[in-house]
Amino acid sequence: NAGVTQTPKFQVLKTGQSMTLQCAQDMNHNSMYWYRQDPGMGLRLIYYSASEGTTDKGEVPNGYNVSRLNKREFSLRLESAAPSQTSVYFCASSEGVHQPQHFGDGTRLSIL
Amino acid sequence: ILNVEQSPQSLHVQEGDSTNFTCSFPSSNFYALHWYRWETAKSPEALFVMTLNGDEKKKGRISATLNTKEGYSYLYIKGSQPEDSATYLCAPKTSYDKVIFGPGTSLSVIP
Repeated sequence: NAGVTQTPKFQVLKTGQSMTLQCAQDMNHNSMYWYRQDPGMGLRLIYYSASEGTTDKGEVPNGYNVSRLNKREFSLRLESAAPSQTSVYFCASSEGVHQPQHFGDGTRLSIL
Repeated sequence: ILNVEQSPQSLHVQEGDSTNFTCSFPSSNFYALHWYRWETAKSPEALFVMTLNGDEKKKGRISATLNTKEGYSYLYIKGSQPEDSATYLCAPKTSYDKVIFGPGTSLSVIP
């Protein structure tokens, strides 16, 4: 039972480097999400995708881009990493307004 | 930006105590409210999905109520145990797909 799989689990980058975080789900969900975890602020929505081919901005989209490659995969790209983007990133998926989200294990990203 | 508030921000209780938290959200354009339990170094796990005004949900010692007209939900834990220590997140949905989380309530249960 894979559920939501995120890769990599850990990554260290230097300021200015680029990086793509990968997320895949095997539950045939239409909706997928990227969040970042910041101390005292819970989970903040970066981008989401309601269905294959669509993406929308969340609360904190600046500095990120996303791609909904197909129904299974939703990637998050940092074009020019900044220390303020040091965080734990979670991918999630869900199906319908009455169904909860299923989360991946997170990617811990440090930017020096 | 959806304004979701949770109170208290954190609390410490003794094992066996009962406790409750509050989630406040704008009452307009309500679709559903989700509660999640988030243990340190793990991923959030869903507790409840609530959709109707007056909804009450229960799972073991944990229960929740929903008031969509005034925009709040309560989460109750009866007889807290150390394994209940976690951050509890609420996420009101004001559109079909977009999910915004509150800042969470951090619970520590002291043995």
